[in-house]
Amino acid sequence: SQKIEQNSEALNIQEGKTATLTCNYTNYSPAYLQWYRQDPGRGPVFLLLIRENEKEKRKERLKVTFDTTLKQSLFHITASQPADSATYLCALGRRRAGNMLTFGGGTRLMVKP
Amino acid sequence: KAGVTQTPRYLIKTRGQQVTLSCSPISGHRSVSWYQQTPGQGLQFLFEYFSETQRNKGNFPGRFSGRQFSNSRSEMNVSTLELGDSALYLCASSLLTGNTGELFFGEGSRLTVL
Repeated sequence: SQKIEQNSEALNIQEGKTATLTCNYTNYSPAYLQWYRQDPGRGPVFLLLIRENEKEKRKERLKVTFDTTLKQSLFHITASQPADSATYLCALGRRRAGNMLTFGGGTRLMVKP
Repeated sequence: KAGVTQTPRYLIKTRGQQVTLSCSPISGHRSVSWYQQTPGQGLQFLFEYFSETQRNKGNFPGRFSGRQFSNSRSEMNVSTLELGDSALYLCASSLLTGNTGELFFGEGSRLTVL
C-alpha cells in the first residue's frame, strides 16, 4: 500500500542552523510534491511545490529537493529562526487526480534561541 | 482578500447524531476539498468538488458526504456519528482542479463525538 513517511520525532535545532526534514514514499508515483507548514490549532499553509521533472526549488530561506529514484524529498530551512517552529507536512499528488493530496504524518520542528 | 472560512469552528455531538460543516472558499476559487485530520491517521482526503461536481473521493464510508453550491460554497455531512469521527475537518480551496497549485486551507472545524 502507499506510504509516505516523515520523521515522527521532533527535530530540535539551534537558531541560525539549517533544518533538514525528510519525506520518503513507497508504492506511489507522484506527479508533484508539496510542503506545508501547520501551527497548532491552525490549517496547513502552503510553502513550496516541486514537480517530478524538477530536482530542486528555492524560495527565500527554503529549499526543497525531489529525487524520484530514491523516492525522497528533502526540505531545508536555512538560517532557522524560532518563528520557524511548527509542524511541516509533505504531500504528494498524482496526475489526473484533481487536487487530491496524500499527506505524510508531519515532522515537528523546534528552533531554540 | 478573505481566506477560507469554515463554520462552526467547534462542535460537540453524540454518537448516532449527524453533523453538517460549512466551507466558504476564497472568492473566485472553484475547487473545494475536504480533509480529516486525526492524531493517529494524520491528514486524509475526503472528497473534492469542482463546479458543483464531485471530482474525487477518498476512502471513507458512505456516511461521509458533501456537496457544492453554485457560488462554490461547500458543505460536508457526516451521518450516524461514531466516536472515531472525532477530528479536525479541514476545507481547502483552489482556483482550479488538477493544476498542482497550492491549496488554501481554512482553520478547520473541530468535531468531538461523545
